[in-house]
Amino acid sequence: DAKTTQPNSMESNEEEPVHLPCNHSTISGTDYIHWYRQLPSQGPEYVIHGLTSNVNNRMASLAIAEDRKSSTLILHRATLRDAAVYYCILEGSQGNLIFGKGTKLSVKP
Amino acid sequence: GAVVSQHPSRVICKSGTSVKIECRSLDFQATTMFWYRQFPKQSLMLMATSNEGSKATYEQGVEKDKFLINHASLTLSTLTVTSAHPEDSSFYICSAPANRLISGYTFGSGTRLTVV
Repeated sequence: DAKTTQPNSMESNEEEPVHLPCNHSTISGTDYIHWYRQLPSQGPEYVIHGLTSNVNNRMASLAIAEDRKSSTLILHRATLRDAAVYYCILEGSQGNLIFGKGTKLSVKP
Repeated sequence: GAVVSQHPSRVICKSGTSVKIECRSLDFQATTMFWYRQFPKQSLMLMATSNEGSKATYEQGVEKDKFLINHASLTLSTLTVTSAHPEDSSFYICSAPANRLISGYTFGSGTRLTVV
C-alpha cells in the first residue's frame, strides 16, 4: 500500500484558513486520496476524498497536485472544534485504509 | 448519513476472560467491515477485514485465534478478544464503506478495552 507523509503537528489561529499538506509520491493511478480526522477517544470522521480533481464540500476543500504526488486539505476558517488529528490516507485496490501518523492540529482562540 | 453503531463503548474485563465487541450498520448493508486497534498516542492499525459470509482476512502479526471475527449478516460484525491479557488493552474501532464514492468510510465510535 502506498504511504503518506504528513507533518506531526500544526498550529492555527481561530477563524483563519488552515492548509494541511500531505505527500504521497508513490501513489498509483487508481488510489483515492482520503482525509479523516479524529478527536480523542472517538472514531475517525470522514472529511473529504478525491481522485484527480480538486474537491469541495461543506467541511473542507481538497487540492490535489497535477502529478497527484501531494495534496492539501484546506479548512477555510478554523474553529476550536477543528482541533483534531488529521489523517491523509490512500485507498488502495483492496479498499482498506492504512493510517499513517497524521497531523495534530491545534487551534488557538 | 450512514452510521456504524459500536458497542460497548467501554469495557473492563479480568485477565483470561473473553470480550465481544459489536458493530452494526444501521442504515446500510455492510458487506465488508474493517477492524482497527489503536494504542495511546498512536495511529490506527488495521487488524483484519471481515466479509459477510466468509472468513476474515487478518493482517500480518494479528493472531486469528485470539481475535475472532464473525460477520454473519450484512448488518452485524463482531470481534471477540479471547483470553484477554493486559497487553490487549487498547481502543478498538470498526469501519465500513457505506457510500464510499460519496462520503468515504464510516467509523464506529470505538471501544475502550481495559484488561486488569
